[in-house]
Parts: sequence; structure tokens; C-alpha cells
Amino acid sequence: DAGVTQSPTHLIKTRGQQVTLRCSPKSGHDTVSWYQQALGQGPQFIFQYYEEEERQRGNFPDRFSGHQFPNYSSELNVNALLLGDSALYLCASSLDSIYEQYFGPGTRLTVT
Amino acid sequence: GENVEQHPSTLSVQEGDSAVIKCTYSDSASNYFPWYKQELGKGPQLIIDIRSNVGEKKDQRIAVTLNKTAKHFSLHITETQPEDSAVYFCAASTNTGFQKLVFGTGTRLLVSP
Repeated sequence: DAGVTQSPTHLIKTRGQQVTLRCSPKSGHDTVSWYQQALGQGPQFIFQYYEEEERQRGNFPDRFSGHQFPNYSSELNVNALLLGDSALYLCASSLDSIYEQYFGPGTRLTVT
Repeated sequence: GENVEQHPSTLSVQEGDSAVIKCTYSDSASNYFPWYKQELGKGPQLIIDIRSNVGEKKDQRIAVTLNKTAKHFSLHITETQPEDSAVYFCAASTNTGFQKLVFGTGTRLLVSP
């Protein structure tokens, strides 16, 4: 049974560019949450997707957007990248709730 | 807003000793408290969780206790082993229209042989 997978593993972008990160949830899960983890900090909630809709959003600007597909996989898009967007981006999946969220390995984004 | 404080930030113990990590939360409506272990280069791994209708939960060498009155919850690891070395995060649910998790800042645990 595959766990949560994310791609790519690492990414280097330039300020002002746009990036798309991808996540496949654990088998049987229908809810995907995205988190940003800065170095030395705990994960910060970006938003959650359920039934292909954004259900809840944290304190992140509109430059951060997402999408969920019918197979429950999800994408995180960040536009107009800033240096401060450099972080580990984590995807977590669960079954229609915040309970028992399982995280993927993350995508390390570096903005130069 | 919602806040979760975690202490200590670093903890060094000898193999076989016990380790305790403590968290406090601000939202009295919080009802779910998971703990995650994050090893270098990996995503957080759920190791144990507790809901507000339970005061204590144990799974082999790890246990979590919850004091709702004081808004405290703690992770206890007994008989520590070098492979327990990692960063541990606590989290608490919040209810600002819809539930989400708020994480603490992490505790780096080092278990020396």
C-alpha cells in the first residue's frame, strides 16, 4: 500500500517564476492538506482540498493556489515566487477530516 | 489567534532514559492532539494521537497525556533508543470555522548510546 507521494523532490526557481508541486494521497484517502515548513519550524497550514474544492485556507496570499483531481491527487501552485517562499512543502492526506493525517516526504523549494 | 507552544526546543538523554516533551495550546475548543516524528530529510510521521475525551493513551514505549483544564499535553518516551533521535512536533486542532492543525515549533531529541 503506497503512502503519500510527492514530486519533485527538489526544485530550484528564480524570483518571479511560478512553480507547481504534486501530491498523490495514501490509498483510500480523499482529503489533501498542504503545509509549508520553514527551516527549524513546524509545518504551517496552507489549505485543504476535499471533493475537488478548497475547504479551508490558512494565512497565505492568493499567490498560493491549488487543485484536486477526481482521483484525489492534488497540485500546489505558487506564482510570483519570493525568496521567502523557500521552504519544504508538505502534503498530508486523510479521510475527510484532520484526524490521522499522513505526510509525504515533501518537496524542497529553493528560490534564488 | 491559535497558538501551540512546545518545550524544550532540544533534549539530550542517555540511551535507556525517559524523555518528556510538553506542549500548551490556546484554543479551548481544541479536541485533537497528534504527535509527529520527523527524521532528517523526511516528512513528519504520525506516532500517536489523542482526542479530548481521553486523558492518556499509550502505545508500547510512547504515551501521551492530556490536561484539558490546563491546556497542556505531553509526550512521554520510555527506554529511549538511538533510533528515537529526531525532531518531534506536537499539534492541536483549532475550530476557526473549520478544523485545521496548528503545530508547535518542534523538539530536537538526541539519544546518546
